[in-house]
Amino acid sequence: AQSVSQHNHHVILSEAASLELGCNYSYGGTVNLFWYVQYPGQHLQLLLKYFSGDPLVKGIKGFEAEFIKSKFSFNLRKPSVQWSDTAEYFCAVNEYSGGGADGLTFGKGTHLIIQP
Amino acid sequence: DARVTQTPRHKVTEMGQEVTMRCQPILGHNTVFWYRQTMMQGLELLAYFRNRAPLDDSGMPKDRFSAEMPDATLATLKIQPSEPRDSAVYFCASGSSGASSTDTQYFGPGTRLTVL
Repeated sequence: AQSVSQHNHHVILSEAASLELGCNYSYGGTVNLFWYVQYPGQHLQLLLKYFSGDPLVKGIKGFEAEFIKSKFSFNLRKPSVQWSDTAEYFCAVNEYSGGGADGLTFGKGTHLIIQP
Repeated sequence: DARVTQTPRHKVTEMGQEVTMRCQPILGHNTVFWYRQTMMQGLELLAYFRNRAPLDDSGMPKDRFSAEMPDATLATLKIQPSEPRDSAVYFCASGSSGASSTDTQYFGPGTRLTVL
């Protein structure tokens, strides 16, 4: 079975600091990788995704992530965070199996707090 | 701006009562997913459908939960009887899957269920 591990459950940063959130998955097959963000009281929104090709993917709001297959990692980065980035961040993975992609397996999430 | 809609947004009920949650996927999407979010377990996949056929409901307690898609524009998740441990936020997501497509899941706003 797939599993996703997010290393940091709570992260507190000051505005303008750089961000890196770790994500590792365990699965040996072909996977799709995602980062979702959940702002307080809101639903999940897609930040970025990796299906194939360039392992460095860019998403919305200045976020990017790098897929390192040898390390089974898909870390999220942002060079300079803003107060509005305060949210819960989820790494997720699913498998593509012929007829379409399966349901997502999520990490436990990282609660990011940006201090002004 | 196409969105997944869910009703009700909030539901408070007493233990033993039946609860029905509804989801309207984005028009044209052929895959619908149900997830549950709790503080303890995080986000878990309950079940999903493709072209209205159930593909996987292994994440769902079979004795009390049931999921259906009466038509392409409506998915339902029913709990009967409900228990306090079912208190959670239930998210519906939809996507467009196919043999050659890479799909993204778009999440609805969720139904916050409280069972007293």
